[in-house]
Amino acid sequence: AQTVTQSQPEMSVQEAETVTLSCTYDTSENNYYLFWYKQPPSRQMILVIRQEAYKQQNATENRFSVNFQKAAKSFSLKISDSQLGDTAMYFCAFRNNNDMRFGAGTRLTVKP
Amino acid sequence: DAGVTQSPTHLIKTRGQQVTLRCSPKSGHDTVSWYQQALGQGPQFIFQYYEEEERQRGNFPDRFSGHQFPNYSSELNVNALLLGDSALYLCASSFMRGDGTPNEKLFFGSGTQLSVL
Repeated sequence: AQTVTQSQPEMSVQEAETVTLSCTYDTSENNYYLFWYKQPPSRQMILVIRQEAYKQQNATENRFSVNFQKAAKSFSLKISDSQLGDTAMYFCAFRNNNDMRFGAGTRLTVKP
Repeated sequence: DAGVTQSPTHLIKTRGQQVTLRCSPKSGHDTVSWYQQALGQGPQFIFQYYEEEERQRGNFPDRFSGHQFPNYSSELNVNALLLGDSALYLCASSFMRGDGTPNEKLFFGSGTQLSVL
């Protein structure tokens, strides 16, 4: 069974600085997708970035980028130039076919 | 373009009662998935509906059932509520590709917060 582990329950960062959130996963599949979702107090899950496992190039979306290490089954999220609006829960997720598995989340606080 | 909408936003029930939650998918989407998010945890997959049929199911008891309507909207029903069913219930929609595989990108609603007393 696929599992997703986020080992950092809480993190904080100063505004304008860079922070990296960690995620590891376990699967025997070769083709899958990885995601980072943001959940602000409004509770809506917002897609931050996604990565196809068959692509070696790391995905980037403006201030957000990932470090995808397929052999190590690691998928970390880097947030550059952190903004107060980045304060939220961040969930790492794995998807293969119809089944999406989420980690327990990391609560990120951006301090002014 | 309306996104995924869920109703109601909050609900309070007592143990043993039954509840129905509703979801309208994003325009153009035909597949609806339901997730349960307990406090302090990540969402857990309940089941997915496509073409009015349950296509895949997570590790949830039969007390959890669903339905999809011809307009692609969906309902989640929970019978014989337990205190442990208290959670945020999230609906997510996507679309099925022409080759029969699901598009990997999910769009989520804001959820229904269910409290069981």
